[in-house]
Amino acid sequence: GAGVSQSPRYKVTKRGQDVALRCDPISGHVSLYWYRQALGQGPEFLTYFNYEAQQDKSGLPNDRFSAERPEGSISTLTIQRTEQRDSAMYRCASSLEQGSTDTQYFGPGTRLTVL
Amino acid sequence: GQSLEQPSEVTAVEGAIVQINCTYQTSGFYGLSWYQQHDGGAPTFLSYNALDGLEETGRFSSFLSRSDSYGYLLLQELQMKDSASYFCAVRDGDNFNKFYFGSGTKLNVKP
Repeated sequence: GAGVSQSPRYKVTKRGQDVALRCDPISGHVSLYWYRQALGQGPEFLTYFNYEAQQDKSGLPNDRFSAERPEGSISTLTIQRTEQRDSAMYRCASSLEQGSTDTQYFGPGTRLTVL
Repeated sequence: GQSLEQPSEVTAVEGAIVQINCTYQTSGFYGLSWYQQHDGGAPTFLSYNALDGLEETGRFSSFLSRSDSYGYLLLQELQMKDSASYFCAVRDGDNFNKFYFGSGTKLNVKP
């Protein structure tokens, strides 16, 4: 497909379980962002990759959250020992180049529910 | 730190013009972006202003005044499909690759 894809689209898990959320950016896009979006709010920055390098992880809430993009394409956001407060929509976005434009292409998101 | 303020909700009638304002505070400024998000959908990019003035893209225009730390999105000839949330966004002045989004303005277009 031409757009950003994410999987799964919905994830229900029990408190204490680990989850892995996948993002497949637009082919050739160098920059990849992860956001969390609460209902009725704007996206909240989590982390940024330039190719495979994680250049900013200042938005990750705590050390239970981690992300990787080992080959500079697909990225995985992992949340360990999930808590109910982690329930949210998690979105990734990609852009063609670092810094040349503010145009980000967002994926459909993964709705995470922690019971 | 960085912060953005937008009105939470705006209502307008079909065919009218509406302006959605955004004021921002950043330690450094690289430009103001606007995104549209329909209910249940993903944010989609609308426009970007790095310099003062008006940028026009069809029915949508975006304005920036850096001296006032202020911008707005202008939607003309409103259509029902314009009912959505609109977010302004800026880069972090200290962490260039980090974006801050406003809390969004919900636009309700009525017939």
